[in-house]
Amino acid sequence: DVKVTQSSRYLVKRTGEKVFLECVQDMDHENMFWYRQDPGLGLRLIYFSYDVKMKEKGDIPEGYSVSREKKERFSLILESASTNQTSMYLCASSLQGNTEAFFGQGTRLTVV
Amino acid sequence: QQQVKQSPQSLIVQKGGISIINCAYENTAFDYFPWYQQFPGKGPALLIAIRPDVSEKKEGRFTISFNKSAKQFSLHIMDSQPGDSATYFCAATSRGSGYSTLTFGKGTMLLVSP
Repeated sequence: DVKVTQSSRYLVKRTGEKVFLECVQDMDHENMFWYRQDPGLGLRLIYFSYDVKMKEKGDIPEGYSVSREKKERFSLILESASTNQTSMYLCASSLQGNTEAFFGQGTRLTVV
Repeated sequence: QQQVKQSPQSLIVQKGGISIINCAYENTAFDYFPWYQQFPGKGPALLIAIRPDVSEKKEGRFTISFNKSAKQFSLHIMDSQPGDSATYFCAATSRGSGYSTLTFGKGTMLLVSP
């Protein structure tokens, strides 16, 4: 069974902290994505990666960075967390050339 | 710029009724249109998808209708059940490159009352 695992279901961080959200997939997928989900705004793409060490900005990359050192792992980094980054973060992966994305269960991040 | 517009934002349907969710897109390069279903506490999961060379696709109680000239597509859930209560997202993408990113609508929260 395909699996995308996000390291935390819930996180509470303080303003200004550096935050790491981790995602691991076991499907040998080339593509990995980070979205944030907010009520009434749907899913918005933050960053994606189509290969190890490669990254591309999505629609809302400001305040975020990513790291992909291994094919199965894709990390989202909040350099200095702010309250407007309080959100649900969803990681997804897909095969190259295949459009079906498989999502993790999400990390609900609260920045106080 | 919102490239995929979804309506309604929320929907209440009685058990056994038909649920209809509509989406419209702007980018004519889009050539794959999936619908994702998300239950509370879970990530979205692919429900059904269509390519623009057909006008309709049916899988069980779920049907996508596609109107290429109007750049619209819709999800119909026949004989809606309480277990269908979830948030539904339409999406669109272009499959031209080796990687493709999904552009999502804002979602529709469906509640099927018993």
